[in-house]
Amino acid sequence: NAGVTQTPKFQVLKTGQSMTLQCAQDMNHNSMYWYRQDPGMGLRLIYYSASEGTTDKGEVPNGYNVSRLNKREFSLRLESAAPSQTSVYFCASILELFSNQPQHFGDGTRLSIL
Amino acid sequence: GDSVTQMEGPVTLSEEAFLTINCTYTATGYPSLFWYVQYPGEGLQLLLKATKADDKGSNKGFEATYRKETTSFHLEKGSVQVSDSAVYFCALIRGYNKLIFGAGTRLAVHP
Repeated sequence: NAGVTQTPKFQVLKTGQSMTLQCAQDMNHNSMYWYRQDPGMGLRLIYYSASEGTTDKGEVPNGYNVSRLNKREFSLRLESAAPSQTSVYFCASILELFSNQPQHFGDGTRLSIL
Repeated sequence: GDSVTQMEGPVTLSEEAFLTINCTYTATGYPSLFWYVQYPGEGLQLLLKATKADDKGSNKGFEATYRKETTSFHLEKGSVQVSDSAVYFCALIRGYNKLIFGAGTRLAVHP
């Protein structure tokens, strides 16, 4: 019962490098989310995907792009990494949008940008 | 806009002590409220939830009651264990299942 799987778990980048964070869920959920977690700020929503083929911006989308590759997978891309994007990134999923049900989270990707 | 405010940590307790972590929210209407827990190196796990006023969520000895009069959802546990050491997040849900989180409260329980 994997749930939500994120790869990699850790990554160090240099400023200006690009990278894609991968997320996959095996619960047949329709909606998926990307958050970033910074000290003292809780989690903030970057992008979400209500269903396969759709994506929308959250609170802090600047500097990121996403792809909902299929129902299972939702990737987050940093085209030109900046030190301000040093954070822990979490992917989450839920069966249906507007269902008011709790989200299921992955274990996170810790990203450092030098 | 909607927001969640939690007491600042860290909270340090001895095993078997009583725990309260305060959470208040600002929102229009009556959103569902959640407590999530994050153990070291892991993602967030749902601890408990309440979907309407006066509901009490409970799980693993933790409880929280949805109080619309005081717009609060305080987390309590009668006797904490070392294994409860974690970061606790209060959150409300909005619209497209958008979760709005508090800043988190770190709990450290010592034997």
